[in-house]
Amino acid sequence: QITLKESGPTLVKPTQTLTLTCTFSGFSLSTSGVGVGWIRQPPGKALEWLALIYWDDDKRYSPSLKSRLTITKDTSKNQVVLTMTNMDPVDTATYYCARLESGTDYYYGMDVWGQGTTVTVSS
Amino acid sequence: QSALTQPASVSGSPGQSITISCTGTSSDVGGYNYVSWYQQHPGKAPKLMIYEVSNRPSGVPDRFSGSKSGNTASLTISGLQAEDEADYYCSSYTSSIVFGGGTKLTVL
Repeated sequence: QITLKESGPTLVKPTQTLTLTCTFSGFSLSTSGVGVGWIRQPPGKALEWLALIYWDDDKRYSPSLKSRLTITKDTSKNQVVLTMTNMDPVDTATYYCARLESGTDYYYGMDVWGQGTTVTVSS
Repeated sequence: QSALTQPASVSGSPGQSITISCTGTSSDVGGYNYVSWYQQHPGKAPKLMIYEVSNRPSGVPDRFSGSKSGNTASLTISGLQAEDEADYYCSSYTSSIVFGGGTKLTVL
């Protein structure tokens, strides 16, 4: 059974750096084609993709947030960490991590999601 | 990279069929067969319903189907059921990922 779980602070102050950890089980991030992505959803609004990291350490970022994001993985701990700098109240959202698989000629979508973690940005 | 365009809301009666559209560009939806659809119930995480335009993951009812024409992808739900009432998001994968603005489905 594949599971993912997000963890991190529930409250951060403006200008601070947010660090979120996605801890997963049931798959390996050293398997060819496998990746983990981060997605957020402000209250009452749409999903927004943030970043993803692949088994081979290939990293992709949302163009609009690229300067503020860093994604890393620790394969031995089955964890993916996302940091977002210079937090602002508009970054208040539920943050999800999700597993995905893709290759040269396939993309299976984000097939398993974590439950999400709510982050509020306020002084 | 702009968000994909979806209608804000659609509705249908139990047993009917509805279609949700998702419009992008030739650089995303039109250029690749990597369109996915997600269902999200209130307070829950999204669930993958369709990948690669028209493929259903194991466990997704065959009432859900996907298609694409040009720069517009579509999700069709036939035989609407009360449990289908949810928000639906399309997504396109290229070198990055973009979501649509979401569509609220109401089952009357």
